[in-house]
Amino acid sequence: DIQLTQSPSFLSASVGDRVTITCRASQDISSHLAWYQQKPGRAPKLLIYSASSLQNGVPSRFGGSGSGTEFTLTISSLQPEDFATYYCQQLNSYPLAFGPGTKVDIK
Amino acid sequence: EVQLMQSGGGLVHPGDSLRLSCACSGFSFSTYAMDWVRLAPGQGLEWLSAITDTGAQTFYADSVKGRFTISRDNSKNTLYLEMSGLGAEDTAVYYCAKSEFTRGWNYWGQGALVTVSS
Repeated sequence: DIQLTQSPSFLSASVGDRVTITCRASQDISSHLAWYQQKPGRAPKLLIYSASSLQNGVPSRFGGSGSGTEFTLTISSLQPEDFATYYCQQLNSYPLAFGPGTKVDIK
Repeated sequence: EVQLMQSGGGLVHPGDSLRLSCACSGFSFSTYAMDWVRLAPGQGLEWLSAITDTGAQTFYADSVKGRFTISRDNSKNTLYLEMSGLGAEDTAVYYCAKSEFTRGWNYWGQGALVTVSS
């Protein structure tokens, strides 16, 4: 089974900061990785699919990169509405899996 | 408009069974795979199960294999998750999601809270 790790698990940042979250897969998953944002009491929201494709309607300050086993989600200028938990998800093979999450909090 | 409307959550006792439903509209339900995911208190998202468009294939996480059963009724545009042998570790908000395979999941249900407690 493919395992995902994320780093950091928690980060404290200010509005306007550039934020980078890393996701590592235990084996090659090509570009079959998605990123989601989740806020308390809400369903997850798809941000990025196929490692680097921006989902329609998602602000361009969100960007994804990587392939194989290492991936990154970057928020170029953190906005107040971006404080949330972020998850990566491998869609390469079953069983599917999510990373453990990265909580982005206000400094 | 794509909608996934969940029902069936609630408070149950350890060992009980429960069925969650996910009624779908706004898309051709019978042509999409569907998935279930949960978020337990203080934990991260956990993928649970998937079913192909026809229902011919199903997939499960080890944590629920043998206890949970995913199914679908394409004539009713509805996805189900039958859960049995529930324990405290199954307390979570359960979400259904429309799968677009490697394009990710853009549509989710609103979530159903399942609480397992004596």
